Amino acid sequence: GNSVTQMEGPVTLSEEAFLTINCTYTATGYPSLFWYVQYPGEGLQLLLKATKADDKGSNKGFEATYRKETTSFHLEKGSVQVSDSAVYFCALTSANSGNTPLVFGKGTRLSVIA
Amino acid sequence: GAVVSQHPSRVICKSGTSVKIECRSLDFQATTMFWYRQFPKQSLMLMATSNEGSKATYEQGVEKDKFLINHASLTLSTLTVTSAHPEDSSFYICSALEGGKETQYFGPGTRLLVL
Repeated sequence: GNSVTQMEGPVTLSEEAFLTINCTYTATGYPSLFWYVQYPGEGLQLLLKATKADDKGSNKGFEATYRKETTSFHLEKGSVQVSDSAVYFCALTSANSGNTPLVFGKGTRLSVIA
Repeated sequence: GAVVSQHPSRVICKSGTSVKIECRSLDFQATTMFWYRQFPKQSLMLMATSNEGSKATYEQGVEKDKFLINHASLTLSTLTVTSAHPEDSSFYICSALEGGKETQYFGPGTRLLVL
């Protein structure tokens, strides 16, 4: 079945450091890939997405590229801020549209210290 | 972006009682809503998919008679945990999907503690 594996946390970085959170997936067909972020006390918010191979999703300085050859969708940010402290979830759907549920990774907690 | 609310945000109940959790889409019509369960330090696990006006589709291993889902309108879905037991204590999260759209919008979650 479909699955998502992301790096274990917690990840602690100093402000302005470079961030990478690894995510790999197993899926049949051509899944859409997502990164969601959960700030303390809030619900999950869509951070970025990519729907086909080689697409790059980007938002708020975060980027992730859909790599079909390595089945990966690693999240990166060049310079993190304290406000980026949150839990980040990598996820996929098995289809590009329709009422298809998301399959999530376990989440990676990021703490950014000043 | 679209807003999804959940109520209550936190509930404590005695073993054997039933608890209802509401999930509302505040500014769009949700033809599909999903219910997830999240254990500490673990991923979100899909429990069921509900489409407005029809019976929910439950994932394997989820007891439909224990976790009653009703999606009676395009803005409201409810999850009722019947005869709750301590092992049902968890974080329950709903998401809503507008018809024809791809992005799911998540509620803030409901933390259930069964004593």
